[in-house]
Amino acid sequence: DAGVIQSPRHEVTEMGQEVTLRCKPISGHNSLFWYRQTMMRGLELLIYFNNNVPIDDSGMPEDRFSAKMPNASFSTLKIQPSEPRDSAVYFCASSPPPSSGGPTDTQYFGPGTRLTVL
Amino acid sequence: AQSVTQLDSQVPVFEEAPVELRCNYSSSVSVYLFWYVQYPNQGLQLLLKYLSGSTLVKSINGFEAEFNKSQTSFHLRKPSVHISDTAEYFCAVSRISGNTPLVFGKGTRLSVIA
Repeated sequence: DAGVIQSPRHEVTEMGQEVTLRCKPISGHNSLFWYRQTMMRGLELLIYFNNNVPIDDSGMPEDRFSAKMPNASFSTLKIQPSEPRDSAVYFCASSPPPSSGGPTDTQYFGPGTRLTVL
Repeated sequence: AQSVTQLDSQVPVFEEAPVELRCNYSSSVSVYLFWYVQYPNQGLQLLLKYLSGSTLVKSINGFEAEFNKSQTSFHLRKPSVHISDTAEYFCAVSRISGNTPLVFGKGTRLSVIA
């Protein structure tokens, strides 16, 4: 089975540019999480979706950040305009629904997107 | 709200020596407990988890962790480490309701020295 897929793996951009990070969750999973990893703050939740609906976006830093999940197999995290302090590794994770009989408590992580804003 | 404290940011240890990575948590509700491992330039992989039942949980590669409710701890141990265990280890908790976010500690970098 393919795991969580993220693209791009690396992104280097200049301050002020728009950045879009993409995530394809594992097929059949209905929860999707976006996390950010920095040296200073560690791993933090940005936003998560259940059944394509945003449940908690309190971790989104500010209005420059937005996330969408138009269908069960795709999500985007957009930063517009980007700033140097946004430089981090962004992880997407997914977990299966309770009805699947699988371990709903377990999140499966993608490889991450390393973003550098100059 | 939940919080996780990993007391050691870095732990160097010689190959074949035992190791313990410490984790304490705080929560006003019951939680699940996890250890994730991150190898360089990779995503996080689940190492082991405690949901209920036996307080001692084990992974397939020799790690184990024990849930101690009175001390609110979930320390990770391995009796004999290998070079390949060099990685960053994250302790995490989530609320017991399924499909809820993880709250992570800051991580412990384990360096195994030959």
